[in-house]
Amino acid sequence: GQQLNQSPQSMFIQEGEDVSMNCTSSSIFNTWLWYKQEPGEGPVLLIALYKAGELTSNGRLTAQFGITRKDSFLNISASIPSDVGIYFCAGRHTMEYGNKLVFGAGTILRVKS
Amino acid sequence: GAVVSQHPSWVICKSGTSVKIECRSLDFQATTMFWYRQFPKQSLMLMATSNEGSKATYEQGVEKDKFLINHASLTLSTLTVTSAHPEDSSFYICSPQEGPARGEQYFGPGTRLTVT
Repeated sequence: GQQLNQSPQSMFIQEGEDVSMNCTSSSIFNTWLWYKQEPGEGPVLLIALYKAGELTSNGRLTAQFGITRKDSFLNISASIPSDVGIYFCAGRHTMEYGNKLVFGAGTILRVKS
Repeated sequence: GAVVSQHPSWVICKSGTSVKIECRSLDFQATTMFWYRQFPKQSLMLMATSNEGSKATYEQGVEKDKFLINHASLTLSTLTVTSAHPEDSSFYICSPQEGPARGEQYFGPGTRLTVT
C-alpha cells in the first residue's frame, strides 16, 4: 500500500535538544495525524491537523499542516528520556479514496540522558 | 480520546491452527472498524475495513478467507486468523471509528501473534 515519505528514519539526540521530523506526499490529504508508538503497544494520537497552514501544539509538541496539503512536520522541544519511541505521521485521503489513513514509515527517536 | 481494548495482548499458536482476536470500543459505538497489521520495524498496513453488520472490505493482497472479520455489534469486532502460518506472525491492531472516518483515529493496544 501507499506510504508517506517520513524523515529522518531515526534520530539519536541529547536530552534537552529539540527534534524535528517531517512527512511529504505526492497526494493531497484532508487530515494529518501524528502518533507515538512504544514497544508492544498501539499508536497513541499526539496531534491532529485539519486545515492547510494549521499550527497546533500539545505541550512540548508542535505540528503543522503544510500549505500545499502534501506535507506536515512535528517538532519536539527540550526532549526528555520518555520521548523515546517511534513517531508516525498519517494522512487521511479525500473521500474519493475512501477516507483511508496512510502511514509514514516512522521516525525512531532515541534520547541520551 | 477513545478507549479501545484488544484481547489477547499476545498469543502463541502452532502452525495450522486458528486464532481469534477481539477488539472492543469501551466508551463509544464503532460503526466502522479498521484492522491493521504491523511487521517488526515496519509501519502499520491496513488489512480491512468493516462496517457494523456488513461484510468487510479487504485491501489488495489480503486474503479474505484467511483473515475473517466479524463486526456483529457496535462495540465488538473480531479478527480470526485461520490456518495460521509462521509468516502470519505479526502485531495486529484494531482501530474502531465512530461514524464515517473524517478526523481523529484511535487504535487498540495491539495483539502480538507468534505462529510456531
